[in-house]
Amino acid sequence: AQKITQTQPGMFVQEKEAVTLDCTYDTSDQSYGLFWYKQPSSGEMIFLIYQGSYDEQNATEGRYSLNFQKARKSANLVISASQLGDSAMYFCAMRDFGNEKLTFGTGTRLTIIP
Amino acid sequence: GAVVSQHPSRVICKSGTSVKIECRSLDFQATTMFWYRQFPKQSLMLMATSNEGSKATYEQGVEKDKFLINHASLTLSTLTVTSAHPEDSSFYICSANSHVAGRDEQYFGPGTRLTVT
Repeated sequence: AQKITQTQPGMFVQEKEAVTLDCTYDTSDQSYGLFWYKQPSSGEMIFLIYQGSYDEQNATEGRYSLNFQKARKSANLVISASQLGDSAMYFCAMRDFGNEKLTFGTGTRLTIIP
Repeated sequence: GAVVSQHPSRVICKSGTSVKIECRSLDFQATTMFWYRQFPKQSLMLMATSNEGSKATYEQGVEKDKFLINHASLTLSTLTVTSAHPEDSSFYICSANSHVAGRDEQYFGPGTRLTVT
């Protein structure tokens, strides 16, 4: 069974600073994908970034990058130059390639302070 | 980009009644859709996988007779909460799979907030 662990229930970060949101995972599968989603107070799930287990390079999407350390089974999200609009819940999720289901972590509530 | 809609966005119903939530993929076809439930300050929990033209696959602990899922076409899946009770009050989110750039992506709907009084 897959498991996603997000150990930071809440974080407060000063605007313009970088922030790292932690995510560790547990799986016995060799092929899997890791995702990060942002959920603002409106409730919609916004896809941020994806990392495949066989991708050699860390994924980057604009201000978002994923610090993928396969041996440590971690997939931390790094947000550079944080903005007030980054305040939201952030969920790490995982899917193995034999299965379309996503398994979500418990989330981290990020608050950006002006 | 792929867009998924849900209707209604909010619904209030009386205890004992049934309510139907629609999930539509607007600009792509989805053979597989997913239904999630999210309680306040908690994560998304998968309820069931909806497959077009076949029966849904429910996760352990989810009552299939209470949460009826119908995936009648490649762009529409519906979730009907039957005989709703206050404990069914929750945020229900659907997602649909789309094959993009050689991999499957899940696109989420905006969610439906159900309140049972």
